[in-house]
Amino acid sequence: QKEVEQDPGPLSVPEGAIVSLNCTYSNSAFQYFMWYRQYSRKGPELLMYTYSSGNKEDGRFTAQVDKSSKYISLFIRDSQPSDSATYLCAIDTGGFKTIFGAGTRLFVKA
Amino acid sequence: DTGVSQDPRHKITKRGQNVTFRCDPISEHNRLYWYRQTLGQGPEFLTYFQNEAQLEKSRLLSDRFSAERPKGSFSTLEIQRTEQGDSAMYLCASSLSVGSNTEAFFGQGTRLTVV
Repeated sequence: QKEVEQDPGPLSVPEGAIVSLNCTYSNSAFQYFMWYRQYSRKGPELLMYTYSSGNKEDGRFTAQVDKSSKYISLFIRDSQPSDSATYLCAIDTGGFKTIFGAGTRLFVKA
Repeated sequence: DTGVSQDPRHKITKRGQNVTFRCDPISEHNRLYWYRQTLGQGPEFLTYFQNEAQLEKSRLLSDRFSAERPKGSFSTLEIQRTEQGDSAMYLCASSLSVGSNTEAFFGQGTRLTVV
């Protein structure tokens, strides 16, 4: 079993839709969760960083962590064509190593 | 630009040749990481430096790979006797360790193609 599982998509939505991206993880000891956005041929860019369970909101983006079910989510409201990218969930193991999901490719159609 | 800088952005090399990549982290960051990313996958951890000390290496990092971070500033990743399976994006990231928070900031990557 992979430590982080993420559906690779692709996910295609119309402009203005609410997007839900999800990951599951295996180790209940994990505490720090992140979402990165990666445009084609670019490095990942940190979007959201959350600690433990709960929600964190930043503009149109909301990150949600449910530690009881080991499930992390990213919601994008009022999606825009510029949101088209690959979204990577990631877990900071609390030391030095970040474990990434495979990434979900998102396409937002104008 | 005060972000993480990687050089070169692209490298095409023949199988069996040696290649070296450079990473300049964000200046005040004491931690530096190398990751490898293949098509359709997330980045995979390769190695990590705290200042100039290399503290961890993944088993993905075969003996053909070596990384250095002299004086705790820039870092180099060398691949000897390249193989076609080494073709990937090599990503460098840096962070400032403050408690347990290790938000890492990535560079644009070096895309290696071994022909």
